Amino acid sequence: NAGVTQTPKFQVLKTGQSMTLQCAQDMNHNSMYWYRQDPGMGLRLIYYSASEGTTDKGEVPNGYNVSRLNKREFSLRLESAAPSQTSVYFCASSGLRDRYYGYTFGSGTRLTVV
Amino acid sequence: AQTVTQSQPEMSVQEAETVTLSCTYDTSESDYYLFWYKQPPSRQMILVIRQEAYKQQNATENRFSVNFQKAAKSFSLKISDSQLGDAAMYFCAYKTPTRDDKIIFGKGTRLHILP
Repeated sequence: NAGVTQTPKFQVLKTGQSMTLQCAQDMNHNSMYWYRQDPGMGLRLIYYSASEGTTDKGEVPNGYNVSRLNKREFSLRLESAAPSQTSVYFCASSGLRDRYYGYTFGSGTRLTVV
Repeated sequence: AQTVTQSQPEMSVQEAETVTLSCTYDTSESDYYLFWYKQPPSRQMILVIRQEAYKQQNATENRFSVNFQKAAKSFSLKISDSQLGDAAMYFCAYKTPTRDDKIIFGKGTRLHILP
């Protein structure tokens, strides 16, 4: 099925460990996004990529890095995980012809840092 | 900077009744899009309804409708004939039609449906 695929769905990390969240879309969308969702905070933008080869910081980029590997894939890396990064992470994508329709979201990754 | 405010962290409604979720936003733009997303316990983000700012007519999708007041910067969601499956977190969201297509989300309203 067409859509946005995120892996993994769940992850537990120890403080200081690193990991990469993977995201891929098969809708030929230009733009991709990483959000984090925390209780009472809504969804906050971490990084985004408006097109292949470009990335920009969002509202809460500290502690994260991203890579737009190609048009399909946009990964989020935590170099040294901290308990404050415990959250649910969503990847989303948007196409130029779909601006009216908002985003297509992945199913989310629940990350716990202990 | 644009902001989206949902002043009701939680709401409850009796099954089959009508409920209205509030949302206000702040922007200096004249052209933009507004959305309501539903997030059930499955965590999936589901688009419920959308509105283009230049359209005066309020959007409707089956039991879901909005009251869009552009001058007041208000975008409320009305759910009619509430069903148990409507229980979820609801997010109001705003987007300008710029190249980056960033969406700004409110903090959400958790809706409980009472049987």
